[in-house]
Amino acid sequence: SYDLTQAPSLSVSLGQTASVTCSGDKLGSKYVSWHQQRPGQSPLLVVFRDNKRPSGIPERFSGSNSGGTATLTISGAQPMDEADYYCQAWDSSTTSVVFGGGTKLTVL
Amino acid sequence: QLQLLESGPGLVKPSETLSLTCNVSGGFLNISGYYWGWIRQPPGKGLEWVGSVFYSGTTYYNPSLKSRVGISIDTSKNQFSLKLRSVTAADSAVYYCARERRQEWLVSAFDVWGKGTMVTVSS
Repeated sequence: SYDLTQAPSLSVSLGQTASVTCSGDKLGSKYVSWHQQRPGQSPLLVVFRDNKRPSGIPERFSGSNSGGTATLTISGAQPMDEADYYCQAWDSSTTSVVFGGGTKLTVL
Repeated sequence: QLQLLESGPGLVKPSETLSLTCNVSGGFLNISGYYWGWIRQPPGKGLEWVGSVFYSGTTYYNPSLKSRVGISIDTSKNQFSLKLRSVTAADSAVYYCARERRQEWLVSAFDVWGKGTMVTVSS
């Protein structure tokens, strides 16, 4: 099976930049999406196709993907950005969707 | 505005079948480029994809659940359904239905999510 690995937690100071990473074998050859999940809420798509933002998602959210690591960057982190973040990709070899284990972002 | 709403029993006995339905409003299931999926989340844990279905009936399942899961779609009712057989306590989770964007090869993204429904497996 294909695995995506994320750090369990990450802290960022208010107004600073947070980089949430997701690693996997040759991940750069796949397309990665990112989901934000605030406590008690459903997940929300914030980035798809590596670096595209859905309508309504603030510009401070951006994404990149190269080699074996995809990164979700949150520029100027706000208190409302405190949430769990999950990466997601499609693995064509197993024809299945894969989620990373999630990263809990704390804004200090 | 597209909305998805999960429904079904909140309590299922061990060894029985978990059955959930996702009702879709504000849009249609029979559109190209989108699949319809189920994702679950055990309490305090991460997201796990269960499976997805296309309006034609084509399905993809999580390999670890494939032997127990079935997903079907009814475009006339604008709903799709999940059945998970022989459940155990490990299947207790919040179950979400979601629209899966697949407009390009290799691109998968769940762009509209339901509110989720908690299912507990217990006698």
